[in-house]
Parts: sequence; C-alpha cells; structure tokens
Amino acid sequence: KAGVTQTPRYLIKTRGQQVTLSCSPISGHRSVSWYQQTPGQGLQFLFEYFSETQRNKGNFPGRFSGRQFSNSRSEMNVSTLELGDSALYLCASNYQGVGTEAFFGQGTRLTVV
Amino acid sequence: DQQVKQNSPSLSVQEGRISILNCDYTNSMFDYFLWYKKYPAEGPTFLISISSIKDKNEDGRFTVFLNKSAKHLSLHIVPSQPGDSAVYFCAADDLTGTASKLTFGTGTRLQVTL
Repeated sequence: KAGVTQTPRYLIKTRGQQVTLSCSPISGHRSVSWYQQTPGQGLQFLFEYFSETQRNKGNFPGRFSGRQFSNSRSEMNVSTLELGDSALYLCASNYQGVGTEAFFGQGTRLTVV
Repeated sequence: DQQVKQNSPSLSVQEGRISILNCDYTNSMFDYFLWYKKYPAEGPTFLISISSIKDKNEDGRFTVFLNKSAKHLSLHIVPSQPGDSAVYFCAADDLTGTASKLTFGTGTRLQVTL
C-alpha cells in the first residue's frame, strides 16, 4: 500500500512569488492535513480537509490556502512568499480525521530567497 | 503558549537499556495522544497512540503511559536499539470535533549508544 506522497520534495522561490505544493494521501484516506515545521516554531497545524471541505484551520495568515479534490488529493498554496515561509511543509493523511492515526509524507522543503 | 511540552531536548541511552521520553500538556480538552519518530528532512513516522480512556498502550518494544490527572504521558522503548536514534515528538488532539488538528511538542532527540 503506497504511503503519502508529496511533490515536489524541494523548491526554491523568490520573495513575492507564489507556490503550490501537492499531496496524495494513502488510498482510502479522506482526511488530509497540512503542517509547517520550522526550527523556531516547531510543527504547526495549517489546515485539514475532508471530502473537499476545510474542517479546521490553524493560526496562519490568509496567504496560506488549500483545497482538496474529489480523489482526496490536496494542494496547498502560499501567495506573496516571505523569507519566513521557508520551512518543511508536511502533509498527513488519516482515514477519517480525529481519533485515527495520521500518517505523514516526506515533506516539501521550501526555501524562499 | 506551548500546550504540549517536551522538557528534555535530548536523551542519551545505552543500547539494550530502557529509553523513557516524557511529555506534558496543559489543555484539558486533549484526549488523544500520539508519538512520532522523525529523521531530519523526512516526515514523522507514527509509532503509537493512546486515548484518554486508557492509561497504557503497548506495541512491541513501545509502551505509552498516560496519567490524566498529572496531564503527563511517557513513551518507553525497551530494549533501545541504535536504529531508535531520532527525534521523538508527542502530539495531542481533541476528540470533541471531527477534524484532526495535532498539537506537537518541541521534540526530544534520542541517541542510543553502543
């Protein structure tokens, strides 16, 4: 059974640009969550999607957005990139959401220069 | 406001011995807890979970203990192996909703020495 797949693995972008990251969850999993990991703030929750609906959102500015497609694949978009957005972005999938184990992808390392 | 705390940034244990990693939380709404292991530049790997209706859960070499009154959980690894060397995160969730929203601790780096 394939795990959570995130693409691309690495990205370098310039300040002010926008970026789209992709996540394919484990087959059969309908919940997809996104997290940001930075040395200063640790692992922080961005948002969670289930059946194409955002069910929960963390404390991030509106520049961070996402969506989920009917096949449960999810994308995360960051507009007007800032240097502080440099981080490892992780996607997690679980079967239905809370109370079930979340399985993470390998992440996308975003560097903003 | 750090709702999940791992007060030991690092821990060194000899191979074959027990590793005990600790985690404290402040939010009394948390009732589902997970432990993850992480290598640099990779995603966290799920190890074991426990819900607040239990005080212990065991899976092979990994056992998680939960003390709700103290808002404290711990992960025991017995026996420790060199391959266990990694950063360990505890995470907490609130089961009252339907959406998963994990709150992570800051991690403890475990080094298992020969």
